Amino acid sequence: GAGVSQSPSNKVTEKGKDVELRCDPISGHTALYWYRQSLGQGLEFLIYFQGNSAPDKSGLPSDRFSAERTGGSVSTLTIQRTQQEDSAVYLCASSTSGGALETQYFGPGTRLLVL
Amino acid sequence: GQNIDQPTEMTATEGAIVQINCTYQTSGFNGLFWYQQHAGEAPTFLSYNVLDGLEEKGRFSSFLSRSKGYSYLLLKELQMKDSASYLCAVKNFNKFYFGSGTKLNVKP
Repeated sequence: GAGVSQSPSNKVTEKGKDVELRCDPISGHTALYWYRQSLGQGLEFLIYFQGNSAPDKSGLPSDRFSAERTGGSVSTLTIQRTQQEDSAVYLCASSTSGGALETQYFGPGTRLLVL
Repeated sequence: GQNIDQPTEMTATEGAIVQINCTYQTSGFNGLFWYQQHAGEAPTFLSYNVLDGLEEKGRFSSFLSRSKGYSYLLLKELQMKDSASYLCAVKNFNKFYFGSGTKLNVKP
């Protein structure tokens, strides 16, 4: 079946502009994660959605970052007033229910470059 | 805070065995996961450990000691396609905390 998809695959923007990144999780997966990966670094947790529960936003680095998940499926990560340090790969992952023993499946990522 | 440590880079020869270590200090523990990430691609799941001991999956094995906060990933019969970064991640309740990854270079 289809995996996690993300769009756009690449995004170049100017400093100060807003960007929206989209994630389509695997059908039926109720848990959705957003991560940021800077060049040569590990994955930094940003936000976690589980079903209809309030999202865990504890990883968002500033109030310029926000995320929504509509209808328990598609998610959008929005970065307002982008800065050069926001340049990174933004990865989305989903899992069946976010249970303790479950792994997550990653999308291909969106490569964001802020000029 | 959460601390996951892995060596930055390792080099090994095709056909050999390599062990990638991971040490962790986290406020909680629900499992340790290993992912493979080829350059420019998304991470893919390799294995996980919840209980102490060795889990074997073909050419890949992973070991966990919870009392020592230590895990390793063992890759046998290395192939050129195993050149990639290997990410260690600790799951704490509903979050994954990742190390910076170990870049493995397999040479002929």
